[in-house]
Amino acid sequence: AQTVTQSQPEMSVQEAETVTLSCTYDTSESDYYLFWYKQPPSRQMILVIRQEAYKQQNATENRFSVNFQKAAKSFSLKISDSQLGDAAMYFCAYRSEGGVLVVSNFGNEKLTFGTGTRLTIIP
Amino acid sequence: ETGVTQTPRHLVMGMTNKKSLKCEQHLGHNAMYWYKQSAKKPLELMFVYNFKEQTENNSVPSRFSPECPNSSHLFLHLHTLQPEDSALYLCASSQERWGRHEQYFGPGTRLTVT
Repeated sequence: AQTVTQSQPEMSVQEAETVTLSCTYDTSESDYYLFWYKQPPSRQMILVIRQEAYKQQNATENRFSVNFQKAAKSFSLKISDSQLGDAAMYFCAYRSEGGVLVVSNFGNEKLTFGTGTRLTIIP
Repeated sequence: ETGVTQTPRHLVMGMTNKKSLKCEQHLGHNAMYWYKQSAKKPLELMFVYNFKEQTENNSVPSRFSPECPNSSHLFLHLHTLQPEDSALYLCASSQERWGRHEQYFGPGTRLTVT
């Protein structure tokens, strides 16, 4: 079974500075997807960034980028130029690769989440 | 807004009550999910539906009963709950249930069992 670990329950960063949230995972699979989700206070969880395991290039989305180390099973999120709106719970998640021939493999449907990191932005 | 709505947003119920949570997605997705989010615990997947068919029940107690009448609507029927069932219940949907497809989450229903 896959596991996802976020070792930082809380982080804080000064506005406009850079912060890195860590995530490690454990899997025996070679093909999978990794996600960072953001859950602002009292608001809906939304996708921040996604990384395909078969891609060596790190994903980037504006101020958000990842450092994907497949061999180390590490998937950290870097937020540059932190803004007050970045304050939220951040969840790292893992999902197996799937295929249309696999009709009942429950393991491929699971999006395994870490426990989250609460990020506070200091004005 | 993510295109996934949930009602009610807050619910307080006694252990002998029966209530239902509703989820609706306007995204044309084929897969829908129920999650339980408790403080300091990972998000727990409860049920998965794909094309209205339940494809996973993650060892959820029978006091939680899901229903998916069509690809756009998902219900979670609750009865004789326990205080430890108090949590945020999140609904999500995705285009397909495989791999790279991201899940879109609803705002959740904050459930308190007294």
